[in-house]
Amino acid sequence: NAGVMQNPRHLVRRRGQEARLRCSPMKGHSHVYWYRQLPEEGLKFMVYLQKENIIDESGMPKERFSAEFPKEGPSILRIQQVVRGDSAAYFCASSPSTDTQYFGPGTRLTVL
Amino acid sequence: KNQVEQSPQSLIILEGKNCTLQCNYTVSPFSNLRWYKQDTGRGPVSLTIMTFSENTKSNGRYTATLDADTKQSSLHITASQLSDSASYICVVSRTGGDDMRFGAGTRLTVKP
Repeated sequence: NAGVMQNPRHLVRRRGQEARLRCSPMKGHSHVYWYRQLPEEGLKFMVYLQKENIIDESGMPKERFSAEFPKEGPSILRIQQVVRGDSAAYFCASSPSTDTQYFGPGTRLTVL
Repeated sequence: KNQVEQSPQSLIILEGKNCTLQCNYTVSPFSNLRWYKQDTGRGPVSLTIMTFSENTKSNGRYTATLDADTKQSSLHITASQLSDSASYICVVSRTGGDDMRFGAGTRLTVKP
């Protein structure tokens, strides 16, 4: 049973480009959470999704950021027109219910 | 194999009782260890952060200990309250702070 998969592990973008981060939850898990960790800071919650639904996006910036978890395929965190302040590690976690979350290895985004 | 192991996986206690959660890790080189509390369906909230030289750190009724020699940490909760019901996640960072390893968490339920 593979763990939570995230790709790419490292992503480099220039200012103004789009970044797409993918998260494949563990088999049988229908709940996905996205977190951001800025340098020297702890985890910051961004968004909580279930299949085809956004449940809680209270931690998501109002502009440029969006997330989806389609019926088929991985969850996608999209950042449009990236800025240097978006440079961070982005972690995805999945859960079979609202119980314990299993975290992926993260995607390190660097904006030049 | 996960580099951060937490035990027990779940725990049920009565209100007012104390409890201790365990975290063993093999992450190296070690930078810091954080304990997070995560309420159901919400993002995690940092409780404590400990570096190599710190043995004990308290945050209200929460007390974390760290033994860097044996690579073990514990989170002790005193006089539990119903609101303590949550998942508690141990996160260990490698030197540099960007590379984190997450435990699967302990699900604590406090009953009246």
